[in-house]
Amino acid sequence: DQQVKQNSPSLSVQEGRISILNCDYTNSMFDYFLWYKKYPAEGPTFLISISSIKDKNEDGRFTVFLNKSAKHLSLHIVPSQPGDSAVYFCAAQAGGTSYGKLTFGQGTILTVHP
Amino acid sequence: DGGITQSPKYLFRKEGQNVTLSCEQNLNHDAMYWYRQDPGQGLRLIYYSQIVNDFQKGDIAEGYSVSREKKESFPLTVTSAQKNPTAFYLCASHSPGHNYYGYTFGSGTRLTVV
Repeated sequence: DQQVKQNSPSLSVQEGRISILNCDYTNSMFDYFLWYKKYPAEGPTFLISISSIKDKNEDGRFTVFLNKSAKHLSLHIVPSQPGDSAVYFCAAQAGGTSYGKLTFGQGTILTVHP
Repeated sequence: DGGITQSPKYLFRKEGQNVTLSCEQNLNHDAMYWYRQDPGQGLRLIYYSQIVNDFQKGDIAEGYSVSREKKESFPLTVTSAQKNPTAFYLCASHSPGHNYYGYTFGSGTRLTVV
């Protein structure tokens, strides 16, 4: 049972435009959400996170939105740059910042064209 | 610099052989994790350990074994019982705290059965 789903395997955008990556979850116990960025043959790196007590968190060009009622979160990248081309994973955790293990989505391949 | 080191980067295994993937961290993190990445399936949890000398099965533990004799080390053995071991393996660690950035990942080991 896939508790965290990224239904778009890939996304292609033009440089300078907005990239929107989506993630849906089914487990209502999840209360902390993270986005990771991954290049081929490398480990994922942390990008941005959001607690369930918030509905928006912003860090530079990256903004994460959380809609708890819809069990949906999205990552907005504005403006998109070619260096943003990578695989983006959504992850969720139950139990806040405790030792709870992360559940990952399948990933979305983002390609930003110059 | 603190971080997680996985070795080797590439590993080839013959049918019926056991192989061990190394994971070492100098971040003083309490918890360590092993994930497997397959195309289109995201990251799936194999085993995790929250403290030394203790570990728990993740979602796909069959055919794998681990040990946690030292805080810094969490080796993963892929046994001959693992039916489809060819994959990209990622080790991660973290400790809870106010500045929660999720997991720190290693750079991964690509295992291929020949």
